[in-house]
Amino acid sequence: GQNIDQPTEMTATEGAIVQINCTYQTSGFNGLFWYQQHAGEAPTFLSYNVLDGLEEKGRFSSFLSRSKGYSYLLLKELQMKDSASYLCAFMDSNYQLIWGAGTKLIIKP
Amino acid sequence: IAGITQAPTSQILAAGRRMTLRCTQDMRHNAMYWYRQDLGLGLRLIHYSNTAGTTGKGEVPDGYSVSRANTDDFPLTLASAVPSQTSVYFCASSPTSGSTDTQYFGPGTRLTVL
Repeated sequence: GQNIDQPTEMTATEGAIVQINCTYQTSGFNGLFWYQQHAGEAPTFLSYNVLDGLEEKGRFSSFLSRSKGYSYLLLKELQMKDSASYLCAFMDSNYQLIWGAGTKLIIKP
Repeated sequence: IAGITQAPTSQILAAGRRMTLRCTQDMRHNAMYWYRQDLGLGLRLIHYSNTAGTTGKGEVPDGYSVSRANTDDFPLTLASAVPSQTSVYFCASSPTSGSTDTQYFGPGTRLTVL
């Protein structure tokens, strides 16, 4: 079967670094997406990984290990505006996205 | 219009009523999707369309229907609403189907069925 899991909630301090983990199981894999979703708003695209390794994009980086079924999103120099939910999703063999429930990130001053 | 728009923003509906949620995109994307988002669950695909004139069922299609008469519009209809259809509904689009293209989301419709 297919499944995907990520922590429900995390708390971090402004200016710090936080890592949000995502694990998945699937027989067909076409990449791993991360989206950001502020409360009451639409999800917006952050990153896409299809090969193993780290992709860096400014303060945000995303890592993928296909053999371990594992990804993480790393947020550096946290700002209050980073308070949001972070959604992990993998694309299956039919090119459909299978979504985690999201990790709510709370940033404290 | 820039991107994807959805209407209405929110709606309270009596059980048994018919309701159509509207979705329009101006990016000339071929693929469009309808998701529902419920607390504690990931986004779940209801229906999708790879191109104008074609539609397909997602993970949770029961109680919903869609049409894709042209590239821009992808309405979602609840024929006879039930309380379990209370949710936030997101429409999304991507340039092509069957690819790893990024999906872009509309602002959502918050639907409450009483």
